[in-house]
Amino acid sequence: GNSVTQMEGPVTLSEEAFLTINCTYTATGYPSLFWYVQYPGEGLQLLLKATKADDKGSNKGFEATYRKETTSFHLEKGSVQVSDSAVYFCALLPQYNQGGKLIFGQGTELSVKP
Amino acid sequence: DGGITQSPKYLFRKEGQNVTLSCEQNLNHDAMYWYRQDPGQGLRLIYYSQIVNDFQKGDIAEGYSVSREKKESFPLTVTSAQKNPTAFYLCASSIGGTELYGYTFGSGTRLTVV
Repeated sequence: GNSVTQMEGPVTLSEEAFLTINCTYTATGYPSLFWYVQYPGEGLQLLLKATKADDKGSNKGFEATYRKETTSFHLEKGSVQVSDSAVYFCALLPQYNQGGKLIFGQGTELSVKP
Repeated sequence: DGGITQSPKYLFRKEGQNVTLSCEQNLNHDAMYWYRQDPGQGLRLIYYSQIVNDFQKGDIAEGYSVSREKKESFPLTVTSAQKNPTAFYLCASSIGGTELYGYTFGSGTRLTVV
């Protein structure tokens, strides 16, 4: 079946450090891939997406590349800020999606210290 | 501005009671979804609806019920049959072509059994 696996958190970094949050997936065909961010006490917001292999999604200094060969969509940011502290969710939409149902990973909590 | 409104933000339920969580959207989206979020478990799909007067069970529908009488509204009832209802509940919606736009989420309702 379709699934998403993220690295376990919490991830704790100092301000201006480099961030990588790993995400791998299992799916048939070519799913669309997403990263969502959830700030404390709020809903999820779409951070970036990629809809085909080798696409790079980017937003607010974050980026992720759709790697079909390694079934991965790792999230990266060159220099994190305290305001980036949040929970990050990787998600996929199966190519032959049924009802547009997104499948989410378990989330990775990021804490950035000043 | 268009968006999804969930209410209330916090809800307390006594044992044996049914409670209804509201979700309203003014985005003209056809599809709506309910997810449950528990610490360390990510998001799990409860119910979803692609069109008015139609809905399908998700992965954890037992103990929950929904209705979709209007395009804008998708209320979720947590019944007394749900044995562990304490969680954060998120409503989302999407237009056709989820692969391009993903979901729009509400800000969530935190339900606590007292």
